[in-house]
Amino acid sequence: DTAVSQTPKYLVTQMGNDKSIKCEQNLGHDTMYWYKQDSKKFLKIMFSYNNKELIINETVPNRFSPKSPDKAHLNLHINSLELGDSAVYFCASTQHRTGQDPYFGPGTRLTVL
Amino acid sequence: GDSVTQMEGPVTLSEEAFLTINCTYTATGYPSLFWYVQYPGEGLQLLLKATKADDKGSNKGFEATYRKETTSFHLEKGSVQVSDSAVYFCALQSYGNKLVFGAGTILRVKS
Repeated sequence: DTAVSQTPKYLVTQMGNDKSIKCEQNLGHDTMYWYKQDSKKFLKIMFSYNNKELIINETVPNRFSPKSPDKAHLNLHINSLELGDSAVYFCASTQHRTGQDPYFGPGTRLTVL
Repeated sequence: GDSVTQMEGPVTLSEEAFLTINCTYTATGYPSLFWYVQYPGEGLQLLLKATKADDKGSNKGFEATYRKETTSFHLEKGSVQVSDSAVYFCALQSYGNKLVFGAGTILRVKS
């Protein structure tokens, strides 16, 4: 059973389009995250949700809108895609305040042409 | 804010050589520290962690010790293999349990 899954694994699209990436975890965790890994492999937090509430928003352009319909899902919608949005996006989850290790999904490689 | 600094790569070693990847951090308090590994084309895997000062994390022959006095968490392995070739990330756990990552160090092991 996959602990943290993401769809799609690869996404190629044109500039200006709107796209969504989905994340699901079956670990019963209450906190989920989106991280972005750029072309130089640098990883940075974008958002975090705890029990469906946004708790971290790290100065990400408002073209990026996360949505958490329930504790097990955290989706990322991106409007008006730009070339600079090309990256690998990782979802992660953990249980808040228990010291559990964050689990990462396999990543979604987004390429904007 | 919290930050992590790793030695720049790439690090190129011959098989069975000794590995050290330096990592230092700046943080409020005493955060948990992690090493993650990313093999080519794959996601992030937790390699080891330490949650308090003087703790040693170890896994698959890799070790790192949480040094509060030097704010460091250097990764070591006594004898690397070709299969260890990957990108290694040092990270600390900050507020909201978010991870703050270093820039990553590419390790290349030649046979």
